[in-house]
Amino acid sequence: DAGVTQSPTHLIKTRGQQVTLRCSPKSGHDTVSWYQQALGQGPQFIFQYYEEEERQRGNFPDRFSGHQFPNYSSELNVNALLLGDSALYLCASSWPGENTEAFFGQGTRLTVV
Amino acid sequence: KNEVEQSPQNLTAQEGEFITINCSYSVGISALHWLQQHPGGGIVSLFMLSSGKKKHGRLIATINIQEKHSSLHITASHPRDSAVYICAVQDSNYQLIWGAGTKLIIKP
Repeated sequence: DAGVTQSPTHLIKTRGQQVTLRCSPKSGHDTVSWYQQALGQGPQFIFQYYEEEERQRGNFPDRFSGHQFPNYSSELNVNALLLGDSALYLCASSWPGENTEAFFGQGTRLTVV
Repeated sequence: KNEVEQSPQNLTAQEGEFITINCSYSVGISALHWLQQHPGGGIVSLFMLSSGKKKHGRLIATINIQEKHSSLHITASHPRDSAVYICAVQDSNYQLIWGAGTKLIIKP
């Protein structure tokens, strides 16, 4: 079982560009959550996808969008990149429900220059 | 006031010492997670608790639901335990609310 895998591991983009990050959940998990972790800070919840729909969303602008595919993998898209978008982006997968353990990917380190 | 507060923020100890990291929260939760993050960012889930106590190797996690408090203990600490330890609570909206983390350094 490969666990949660994210790609790419590192990425450098220029301000104004668009980026797509990818996440494959742990086998059997159908819920994917995305988090942004700025340097020196705790992760911030971006949104969660379940059954190919956005179920919950944190306090992030519309430049942040996502998608979940029928195989439960997910993408995070960020448009019109800002320098402040530089962060580690973490993906977590779980079963739906309140009391299920989340498994995390290694993250994608995005640097916006 | 943050919904999840951890203490201490930073902790440096000598190899072999008993380590305690505390977490207090102010919201209703369905579960509490203790996570470990190493330099480079990868996060590993250590425990998920909804009551009582769990033990895995040298790690012990406890939770007191009435007091809204949890502790993570490391016995016989080792330099490889050096990492950031994060407490996160899971609310009824399926979100994880994260503490700021405790940076632990174990010196040989």
